[in-house]
Order: sequence, then C-alpha cells, then structure tokens
Amino acid sequence: DTAVSQTPKYLVTQMGNDKSIKCEQNLGHDTMYWYKQDSKKFLKIMFSYNNKELIINETVPNRFSPKSPDKAHLNLHINSLELGDSAVYFCASSQGRGSGNTIYFGEGSWLTVV
Amino acid sequence: GENVEQHPSTLSVQEGDSAVIKCTYSDSASNYFPWYKQELGKRPQLIIDIRSNVGEKKDQRIAVTLNKTAKHFSLHITETQPEDSAVYFCAPNFSGGYNKLIFGAGTRLAVHP
Repeated sequence: DTAVSQTPKYLVTQMGNDKSIKCEQNLGHDTMYWYKQDSKKFLKIMFSYNNKELIINETVPNRFSPKSPDKAHLNLHINSLELGDSAVYFCASSQGRGSGNTIYFGEGSWLTVV
Repeated sequence: GENVEQHPSTLSVQEGDSAVIKCTYSDSASNYFPWYKQELGKRPQLIIDIRSNVGEKKDQRIAVTLNKTAKHFSLHITETQPEDSAVYFCAPNFSGGYNKLIFGAGTRLAVHP
C-alpha cells in the first residue's frame, strides 16, 4: 500500500542506452513531480505534471522525456544515457499544484550509468 | 532569483543537546517554508512546515521559526536523539504560482550517544 511507488529501485546501464523509470501514486493526488538528487545530495526539480498537463519544465536536456498517461502515473524516459545522468531520481506527488501543497516522495530510483 | 542557502552544512551534537539549522532564501514572495528529513538511503520526508502568516510552529521536539523581513527560517530540534541523525533540507517555495520547492544543499546532523 505504498503511497508513491517507483520502479525499478536500482538500475545499472551502459552509456548510450535508453531507459525508463515508472511511477505510480495511489493518494488520489492531482500533481506529480520528478526530482533528481546527485552524488552531492543536491535535490532539484525536473518536471511537474498536473492532471496529465506539464506545468513545470526545468532546464533539463531534451534526452529526458516525462510522460503522464493519467494523473496517477508519471514515467520518465531517458535517451542516450550519459555518465552524468547517474543519480537518484525521486518521483513525488501532491494534492494540488498550488503553493503549500505537501509533497510526498517515492523511495527513489538509483540510476548508475557505466 | 531562486537562491537558497543553508547553514551549517554539517552539525555534530551530543545526545540531549539542541540543534539549530538556518535557511536563507532570496525570493521575497515565498510563502511556504518546509523542512525535510532524509535518512541514509531513504526518501526525503516532511517533518514540519510553516506558512508566511505565522512566525513560529512547534511539533513536540521540533520547531520552525520564520523571519520574513530578513528572509530566513530555522529548524530547531531539542533533546536530540541518535535517530535524529540524518540530512535535513529546507525547501522554500518559489513564487511562480506552482508548487515548486527550491531545496537547500542540506545539513548533515550527527547525534552522538
């Protein structure tokens, strides 16, 4: 009954490959996010969707493409993986898109590019 | 601009002591100020938050104080315990209209028995 679940938890892949991380939330929230946490623990927002609509799109290489088939799912596809993409990717959700809505994080997906 | 500074970067205390972490932000229109705790290998979890119409909020051993004029807010943990050891992040919202949190660099707190 995990609230925000993402798969896979660990992913090791070679440079140049394409990979996807899937995320699902069962909280009934309207808004979902992808955050990236690098090796120095910096946590930075990448994307946000509200009811399948993209509302936040930070300066992220276009090799990263989010997709939201419905408001409970937000997947992240990464093309042509690079060494610098190695990080922990956190999916998250909140009740609404407005300021002050508590953001709940998933367990994280550890991506290692070799 | 979206600038958030958090101090100190590391903090080591004895069990039972108090710990204070300060966060300074640049966006004067920020109106939501949460603190997240991240244990090793785990997800960030909200521990306390405050909104701009309140100066202080307390929840058992943790409290947050806000000084909007000076654009900083602080996390206070009293009677620290070893299980408080973690990385703590402040994450004031950016006022662009959406729920966009700008995370500080984190403070690694170590509580020694």
